[in-house]
Amino acid sequence: GAVVSQHPSWVICKSGTSVKIECRSLDFQATTMFWYRQFPKQSLMLMATSNEGSKATYEQGVEKDKFLINHASLTLSTLTVTSAHPEDSSFYICSDVAGGRDEQFFGPGTRLTVL
Amino acid sequence: AQTVTQSQPEMSVQEAETVTLSCTYDTSENNYYLFWYKQPPSRQMILVIRQEAYKQQNATENRFSVNFQKAAKSFSLKISDSQLGDTAMYFCAFKYNFNKFYFGSGTKLNVKP
Repeated sequence: GAVVSQHPSWVICKSGTSVKIECRSLDFQATTMFWYRQFPKQSLMLMATSNEGSKATYEQGVEKDKFLINHASLTLSTLTVTSAHPEDSSFYICSDVAGGRDEQFFGPGTRLTVL
Repeated sequence: AQTVTQSQPEMSVQEAETVTLSCTYDTSENNYYLFWYKQPPSRQMILVIRQEAYKQQNATENRFSVNFQKAAKSFSLKISDSQLGDTAMYFCAFKYNFNKFYFGSGTKLNVKP
């Protein structure tokens, strides 16, 4: 299956700062990638669909100015949590879809803790 | 709107036994895909099995099989000969277009030695 990496795997930041999370598709070009958020013992919540070369599509209730997504290349999508607050602390997971297939391949996730 | 329901928050099974995880979904679509993903303590999401709705035959992957009942909108996962490494959260997922996935709330499976 496809390989997706995320960096960093965990990050601790102070309230009010911005944090960037990278998601890379390592073995194929991904025109579409997805960003999820997962709270402890809960399911994955889709935040947005990242489209290469165009604006991301955000799910209802997700603040696009808060969670900035950039998909400038076919192998890299970034999620920037701006002016982070403690309630933004969560596990963030990205994924992509292999061309011609239907399943999603997930990155290992990034644990964000905002103090 | 599409919804996926997993009614079993947590289940336990003895090693080498068989366990079935339930999943129901609601959709008005006719062509779609269903998946079971596993999330072990490492939190890496791993595909367990997938099913295309247009296929009547139930998917099977080694010890993992599904019981897909399209009319009932049911998609259960059977794990045979359970192993300790099967301990994980299991998520049922639905997809019909634009690659957008809908996940269930998950079932935590504990395999006991």
